Amino acid sequence: ETGVTQSPTHLIKTRGQQVTLRCSSQSGHNTVSWYQQALGQGPQFIFQYYREEENGRGNFPPRFSGLQFPNYSSELNVNALELDDSALYLCASSLAPSGGASDTQYFGPGTRLTVL
Amino acid sequence: QKEVEQDPGPLSVPEGAIVSLNCTYSNSAFQYFMWYRQYSRKGPELLMYTYSSGNKEDGRFTAQVDKSSKYISLFIRDSQPSDSATYLCAMTRSYNTDKLIFGTGTRLQVFP
Repeated sequence: ETGVTQSPTHLIKTRGQQVTLRCSSQSGHNTVSWYQQALGQGPQFIFQYYREEENGRGNFPPRFSGLQFPNYSSELNVNALELDDSALYLCASSLAPSGGASDTQYFGPGTRLTVL
Repeated sequence: QKEVEQDPGPLSVPEGAIVSLNCTYSNSAFQYFMWYRQYSRKGPELLMYTYSSGNKEDGRFTAQVDKSSKYISLFIRDSQPSDSATYLCAMTRSYNTDKLIFGTGTRLQVFP
């Protein structure tokens, strides 16, 4: 187990709705990254938060937003859900935002979102 | 063209076989290379981590990076049914960029 937890496990929403997904990072990790993994694909980087500030963003529209809290928890919010948003959403925590050997990303089990 | 290419498989081998998993990439700026294992309905789990070119061994697993060819490999010796999973390669650029670029994953099945 990585010590990274996510909730809920599964979620079903309809098109146009809003959703909030939650992640609790490994203790002491001040960096969290969110990824979207469509069926049969590798994870795609959404954005990263370091010390409660956004620290990099992938090719996702502004309706994908996030928050990071001082207690190592974080949220991914998606507004105006579209059918293509159906995917496994993964959060990953790391000690620091650099890419060195000590900054390995540890993934949670993911939240499976289905948009009808 | 995707930045990272990986054969999706599936790859089916008998128990005890040597498995070779591969990825190619196009961006020469990638410096850090990782292999993750993902079981069904679980998050990716880090298996191996390599910086720049060279080999790294950990038990039954060996990771190889050839930056001149933009090619990375993961070898699994004495494969076990418990190795059945999807294997994802991932890579990232130099420090202060933590955006992992993943391959699509190769599904491996090891049968008894």
